[in-house]
Amino acid sequence: AQKVTQAQTEISVVEKEDVTLDCVYETRDTTYYLFWYKQPPSGELVFLIRRNSFDEQNEISGRYSWNFQKSTSSFNFTITASQVVDSAVYFCALIYMNRDDKIIFGKGTRLHILP
Amino acid sequence: DAGVTQSPTHLIKTRGQQVTLRCSPKSGHDTVSWYQQALGQGPQFIFQYYEEEERQRGNFPDRFSGHQFPNYSSELNVNALLLGDSALYLCASSTTRREQFFGPGTRLTVL
Repeated sequence: AQKVTQAQTEISVVEKEDVTLDCVYETRDTTYYLFWYKQPPSGELVFLIRRNSFDEQNEISGRYSWNFQKSTSSFNFTITASQVVDSAVYFCALIYMNRDDKIIFGKGTRLHILP
Repeated sequence: DAGVTQSPTHLIKTRGQQVTLRCSPKSGHDTVSWYQQALGQGPQFIFQYYEEEERQRGNFPDRFSGHQFPNYSSELNVNALLLGDSALYLCASSTTRREQFFGPGTRLTVL
């Protein structure tokens, strides 16, 4: 069965600190996508990144970076020089490739950036 | 280009009542998926509609039903509401085997 685990329920850091959100997944399939979404208080899920299971290259987008390691089934998300606007709930998620399937979400990590 | 829209934004119902939530997909998208997000939890898949048929279903009782119209918009119906049905209901649209885009959600409160 597929499963996404975000062990950190809630994290608080002071503005400008770096913070890493952990994500561990389980799947029997070899072809899948991994995602990170941001959910601000408004409730809408904002897409941040999609990674396919064949591409283990790390990715950087501005202050955001992602570390995908198939050997440990992890897809961690780092925010560098955090800002108050980064405060939100972040979800890691998985979907099987080449199938019109459901997205499996983790339970989310609530991130508080303190001014 | 309008994104995924949902209505209403908020809804308050009492136990035993029925509710209908609506979703209009992003332009060009033909597939609609519905998710329930309880407080403090990640979204849980309810079902997915394609070509006006339910293509997949998650672990939800038959009280949850849906419909997709020829213009690809969709409705989620919940009968005999329970307190535990209180949640944020998210709609996502996509095209075949492509990324799902989420709407702002409908927050349902059952009293």
